[in-house]
Amino acid sequence: AQSVSQHNHHVILSEAASLELGCNYSYGGTVNLFWYVQYPGQHLQLLLKYFSGDPLVKGIKGFEAEFIKSKFSFNLRKPSVQWSDTAEYFCAVNALGGNQGGKLIFGQGTELSVKP
Amino acid sequence: SAVISQKPSRDICQRGTSLTIQCQVDSQVTMMFWYRQQPGQSLTLIATANQGSEATYESGFVIDKFPISRPNLTFSTLTVSNMSPEDSSIYLCSVVGPGSGNTIYFGEGSWLTVV
Repeated sequence: AQSVSQHNHHVILSEAASLELGCNYSYGGTVNLFWYVQYPGQHLQLLLKYFSGDPLVKGIKGFEAEFIKSKFSFNLRKPSVQWSDTAEYFCAVNALGGNQGGKLIFGQGTELSVKP
Repeated sequence: SAVISQKPSRDICQRGTSLTIQCQVDSQVTMMFWYRQQPGQSLTLIATANQGSEATYESGFVIDKFPISRPNLTFSTLTVSNMSPEDSSIYLCSVVGPGSGNTIYFGEGSWLTVV
């Protein structure tokens, strides 16, 4: 069965620190990859997505992610975090092919707390 | 793109009752899904809502508890039946947007609290 693993349950950083959140998935075929963010008390928002092409994708609010196919990874990065980045971050995978299109498998989520 | 409206956005429900959540999309979409996000947890796929046929449920979810309707390509409902406090969750509708690109859109969610 497909699965998505996020390495860190809770990350605490100071403002201006660099961020990297790990995400690994298990699926041997073609995938679309996503990072979503959920701010406290708010609904899910798409940060960025990878479908094909350049494996380094840039999203909103200065976030980027790199798809490394050989490592089945899609880590999220930001050079300098802000207090307003405090949120829950979810990695998700859409396995293409067969009857899986459109179904997202989510990681467990990583809670990011940024100290001012 | 696709804009998704969910109703209700929030509700407080009595134990043992049932509640139906509506999902309306502003364009015709082929694929429509329902997810659940329990407090402090990630999202879990409940089922795929199939137009004109029975929904396809994921492991751990059954039709008697979560009946789903999909009468056309822009609308679906999810009913949470015989609710218990464990059903307190955010329920989200998701679609694969029209056109090429496999863009996935989410509604803003229906936040249910069962007391």
